Amino acid sequence: GENVEQHPSTLSVQEGDSAVIKCTYSDSASNYFPWYKQELGKRPQLIIDIRSNVGEKKDQRIAVTLNKTAKHFSLHITETQPEDSAVYFCAASKDSGGYQKVTFGTGTKLQVIP
Amino acid sequence: EPEVTQTPSHQVTQMGQEVILRCVPISNHLYFYWYRQILGQKVEFLVSFYNNEISEKSEIFDDQFSVERPDGSNFTLKIRSTKLEDSAMYFCASRTLGASGRTKNIQYFGAGTRLSVL
Repeated sequence: GENVEQHPSTLSVQEGDSAVIKCTYSDSASNYFPWYKQELGKRPQLIIDIRSNVGEKKDQRIAVTLNKTAKHFSLHITETQPEDSAVYFCAASKDSGGYQKVTFGTGTKLQVIP
Repeated sequence: EPEVTQTPSHQVTQMGQEVILRCVPISNHLYFYWYRQILGQKVEFLVSFYNNEISEKSEIFDDQFSVERPDGSNFTLKIRSTKLEDSAMYFCASRTLGASGRTKNIQYFGAGTRLSVL
């Protein structure tokens, strides 16, 4: 089955700096890569996603890149703000006849220091 | 914006007791999922459900677990005889059947039920 590795497990940055979280996946058939933000005690919230036919996607201060050959994908947050502090999970999934199972990474706890 | 709702938000039970966690998926969604998250750990897939049957389940989802869609709106997870290690946050998620478009793959998560087994 799919295995998603995520690094680093914790990340502290100064407000205004950039943060980068990296993930690798094992199943070359995975074709959809969502990123979720989870604040303490709350549900995972989708913040951005990328499909395997796209190499890069940007939404305001958040960008994701995907390297299918290397099976790497990354989340980039620019101009970080204290409200960006949360746990971020990368994930990988594939459609199998319409079914879909999301495999999550182990999470990165991001702390933005004011 | 439509949301997946889960009840209760917190369930406390004694070891060996049965629990039922309830979810109301988004109304036009047809794929349903349960995940669990042990405190401080990653979210783990349990089971997916479509067309009134399980489509995939993980090794965690043993015969102590079952899912049901008893009516047109609810989706439940039952744990027959709870163990201490079942203590976790359980998330329900749902997904639309859209054949194309941006929403096709997105799973929407509920707020979770925290299960505490004593």
